[in-house]
Amino acid sequence: QKEVEQNSGPLSVPEGAIASLNCTYSDRGSQSFFWYRQYSGKSPELIMSIYSNGDKEDGRFTAQLNKASQYVSLLIRDSQPSDSATYLCAVNIGGSNYKLTFGKGTLLTVNP
Amino acid sequence: NAGVTQTPKFQVLKTGQSMTLQCAQDMNHNSMYWYRQDPGMGLRLIYYSASEGTTDKGEVPNGYNVSRLNKREFSLRLESAAPSQTSVYFCASSVLSYEQYFGPGTRLTVT
Repeated sequence: QKEVEQNSGPLSVPEGAIASLNCTYSDRGSQSFFWYRQYSGKSPELIMSIYSNGDKEDGRFTAQLNKASQYVSLLIRDSQPSDSATYLCAVNIGGSNYKLTFGKGTLLTVNP
Repeated sequence: NAGVTQTPKFQVLKTGQSMTLQCAQDMNHNSMYWYRQDPGMGLRLIYYSASEGTTDKGEVPNGYNVSRLNKREFSLRLESAAPSQTSVYFCASSVLSYEQYFGPGTRLTVT
């Protein structure tokens, strides 16, 4: 079983819509969860971190964590063309606080 | 405040050559990391340094060595480059085990 799984996409949404990105993970002991945005040819940029069950909001971004279902998601409200990028989910796997395992990413395209 | 810097930005090596990738951070972070990113494989951890003076293997350490020179600097060395090491290499840093911040990357081609 893959440790961190994401739908590779591409996910295409119209401008102004809500984009929903999903991630599942295999390790029930995971405690730290992150979402990164990566534009083509650029480095990953941290956009959200979440450590406890529930929702965490930051501007147009909301991260949702459900440890019982081993599921973390990212919602982007009022999507803009500038949100078009690959979104990477990262989880600490295997009991190490330092080792992050990344999903392969979901490519999001926001159409004007 | 430059964040995480990496040198060089691009490099072409012949098989068997050696090189060192340099990384420095000015955020006073304790922990530093080296990743590689390949199409279809995602980001994979090569080595990390939880604190100055310590280094540990990640998921794909074979063919690499690292040095945590001081709190700011963490280098990655390829002793004998192979075509399989063609990749984009990212350095990252964090306060202890929390959010990791990435440098701009080094694009390495081994022919």
